[in-house]
Amino acid sequence: GQSLEQPSEVTAVEGAIVQINCTYQTSGFYGLSWYQQHDGGAPTFLSYNGLDGLEETGRFSSFLSRSDSYGYLLLQELQMKDSASYFCAVRSSSGSARQLTFGSGTQLTVLP
Amino acid sequence: NAGVTQTPKFQVLKTGQSMTLQCAQDMNHNSMYWYRQDPGMGLRLIYYSASEGTTDKGEVPNGYNVSRLNKREFSLRLESAAPSQTSVYFCASSLQGDEQYFGPGTRLTVT
Repeated sequence: GQSLEQPSEVTAVEGAIVQINCTYQTSGFYGLSWYQQHDGGAPTFLSYNGLDGLEETGRFSSFLSRSDSYGYLLLQELQMKDSASYFCAVRSSSGSARQLTFGSGTQLTVLP
Repeated sequence: NAGVTQTPKFQVLKTGQSMTLQCAQDMNHNSMYWYRQDPGMGLRLIYYSASEGTTDKGEVPNGYNVSRLNKREFSLRLESAAPSQTSVYFCASSLQGDEQYFGPGTRLTVT
């Protein structure tokens, strides 16, 4: 099966940089995704890493190291609206479709 | 484009009642998924459909059935609801699987 570990909570101040780590164990690993979910809302896709290295999308970057089974989401220039839960998810080959297995989520609180 | 739509938004059931959650997408995606999310937890896959005409079990399929009615629609049925099925249910769709688009969710309470 698959398992993912990420911190349950992270707190930072507006304007700061925060890194949310994710370690995983899975067979047939294809890639690591990140989703954002505001309270009461639906998850929304942030990024995907299929290869080692850094992917940058505006203020958000995501990193993957396949050899270490590790990735992180980096949020820069934090804004109050970034307060949300962030989930890492692994895409694996177990199953006939491109299934995602989600971590339990990291609640990010941005303080003024 | 409405994206992924789900009905109903809220539902309260008594133990033993049945209901069907509806999901539709207008993005011409091949794959569709049903997840449940319990407080403080990530999303757990109930069932998925890789393409029209196929369905497969996910991580937590017990107590649920699904129907991929056509390419647009994927429904989730609870035949005999139990309090353990109290949860928020999300439908999602994807073209390639890596980027999934989620509906607004159905908040289900079983008493």
